[in-house]
Parts: sequence; C-alpha cells; structure tokens
Amino acid sequence: EVQLVESGGGLIQPGGSLRLSCAASAFTFSNYAMTWVRQAPGKGLEWVSAISQTGDRTYYADSVKGRFTISRDNSNNTLFLGMSSLRADDTAVYYCATKSGSGEYYFNNWGQGSLVTVSS
Amino acid sequence: QFALTQPRSVSGSPGQTVTISCAGTSSDVGRYDYVSWYQQHPGKAPKLMIYDVTKRPSGVPDRFSGSKSGNTASLTIFGLQAEDEADYFCCSYAGTYTWVFGGGAKLTVL
Repeated sequence: EVQLVESGGGLIQPGGSLRLSCAASAFTFSNYAMTWVRQAPGKGLEWVSAISQTGDRTYYADSVKGRFTISRDNSNNTLFLGMSSLRADDTAVYYCATKSGSGEYYFNNWGQGSLVTVSS
Repeated sequence: QFALTQPRSVSGSPGQTVTISCAGTSSDVGRYDYVSWYQQHPGKAPKLMIYDVTKRPSGVPDRFSGSKSGNTASLTIFGLQAEDEADYFCCSYAGTYTWVFGGGAKLTVL
C-alpha cells in the first residue's frame, strides 16, 4: 500500500524558515510527479507546489512563489518543501500527495499531513 | 478567497440524494475536463472520490457521481449514508501545472 509520511512541521516565528519532508514507500517514487497541498485550520485546501518526476520542473502558487522551494531525492524516495520568510497565513497542515500519471491531473495518494504553526 | 466556489454546507437524510456544486471560470473548470473531488473526514487526509469530472477510482461506491456543465462542476451522492458525512472539496486543473481548489462543502447526514 502506498505510504506518504510527512515530517518537519512545528512552531516557527514569523520570518523564519522550515523544511518539510515526505517519505514515500511502496511505489516507484521516481515515476510520479509530486505535489504539496496545505489546509489552514478550519479552512479549505490550497494547492502549494508541484515537481516533475525528475525534479527538473517546479511550479508554485502565487502565494508562496519566491519563498518556498520544492525538491526531491529520488534515490531516497523523499520529497521536500523548503519554506522561508514564513508568515502567519502560512499556518496550515501541509500534505504531500502523488500526482496521477502523465497526462492526468489529480492527486490519488495523500499523506497524513504535517502541521506548521507560524506565530511569535 | 478560494478560486472555486462551493456551498459552505449541504444536508440530506439517509437514502436521499444530495448535489454539491463547484463554480469556477472559463480558465479552469470550463477549460479542462480535469475536475476532481476529495472527501475529508475530521482529522483525516483527503481521499480522492472522483477524477476527470466523472470517473470513480476503484473502491469508491457508484453512489458517487460527477458531472460538469460550462464553468460549474457537481458531485451528486445518491442513497445518502451516515458515513458520507464529511467535507467535500472540488479541484480543477488550471493549466501550466497549477491547480485550484474550492473552499469545501460540509455534508451533514440528518
């Protein structure tokens, strides 16, 4: 069964930096584009970023562009999200998810999420 | 605040049919047949229920049905059951490897 396990969340002060990790198992990680989606407390889902299978192409929502960096390590089956210049409105549970196959545009497997709280 | 507009709440009694709408624009829902729907129970991760507007992943009951007309997509749940009570989010591909979500609709089974 596909497993995605996020880690690295926590309490961070405004303006600080944090890196989330997403450990993948039970599927061929390098065959799938990956994405991060976040959910502020009691709010809806927001797409944050996506990365191609090889990591050569990255994409960001306008709300995080220039502050967040998505990357991946296919040799260790791990996805990352580097976050800097964090603001209070970045407070959310961050989910990693697999994007469906090439030519498909949905998210078929999700992790349990990692909570990031930006507060002084 | 969210690119796609959903009703905040919907409700129905067991056995009834409910429909959740998802209004987008000609740049997302209206342009691409890549609307997906996700179910989320409290404290849990989202679960894919519908993709490509109308398709169901294996394991999702056929009581769940998706459709689209113009810039609006819909999720219909037939024969409502207690376990269907959850939040439902629509999502649309918006081009150039970007996606937009709706704010979510809370389904209450009366």
